[in-house]
Amino acid sequence: EVQLVESGGGLVQPWESLRLSCAVSGFTFSSYSMSWVRQAPGKGLEWVATIRQDGTQRYYVDSVKGRFTVSRDNVQNSLYLQMDSLTGDDTAVYFCARANGIYLNYQYYFYMDVWGKGTTVTVSS
Amino acid sequence: DTQMTQSPSTLSASVGDRVTITCRASQSISSWLAWYQQKPGQAPKLLIYKASSVESGVPSRFSGSGSETEFTLTISYLQPDDFATYYCQQYNTYPWTFGQGTKVEIK
Repeated sequence: EVQLVESGGGLVQPWESLRLSCAVSGFTFSSYSMSWVRQAPGKGLEWVATIRQDGTQRYYVDSVKGRFTVSRDNVQNSLYLQMDSLTGDDTAVYFCARANGIYLNYQYYFYMDVWGKGTTVTVSS
Repeated sequence: DTQMTQSPSTLSASVGDRVTITCRASQSISSWLAWYQQKPGQAPKLLIYKASSVESGVPSRFSGSGSETEFTLTISYLQPDDFATYYCQQYNTYPWTFGQGTKVEIK
C-alpha cells in the first residue's frame, strides 16, 4: 500500500525554525519527484516546493524562497522541508505529495497523485 | 505566474444533478491541468490529470475537458459522497498554482 506520513509539525514562535518529514512506503521513492503543498486555516491549497528524483532540481513558490529548503533521502525513503524564519503567514497544514507525470519535449509535467494526511504548523507568539 | 480562476465559488446541488465547474487559466497551459477533491479534514484526492484523464479508481461519473485556458470538471450524476470542495491546478510551469476552490454543497 502506498503511504506518505508527515511529521514534525507543531507550535513555534515567529522567526523560529521547524523541520517537517514525510516517510514514504509502498513505492520506489527514488523514482519519483516529490512535493509539499500547504493549506492555511479555512483557505485553499498552495503549492510550496518540488524536488526531483535525484534531488538535483528544486523549485519553490516565491513566498518561501530563501527561507524553506526541500530535501530528500533516497536511502531512508524520506522527504524533508526545512522551514526557517517562520511567520504567521506560514501557519498551515502541510501535505507531502508524490509527483507523477511524463517527460515531454525536454520538460517534465507532474501532477500530484498520492498525498499524505498532513501535519499542522502553527506560528504564533 | 499563471493565475487559475474557478467558478462558481459555491454550488448548491441535489443528489442526481449534473454539475459543472469551470477553471480558467490566465495564459495557455495546454492540457497540463489536474482536478482534486477535498473533504473537510482530509487530504486532497486526485480525480483528473492532463485535463481529461481519469485517475484509476475514480468513478466514471467524473469527467474533465478543455485545453489552453478553459477547462471544466463535470460530475454527471451527483452522489452523496461528492459533496466536497474541488480544486483545479496547473502544472504547465512553476510555480504550480491552484484555483481558489469550488464548494459543492447540498441544496
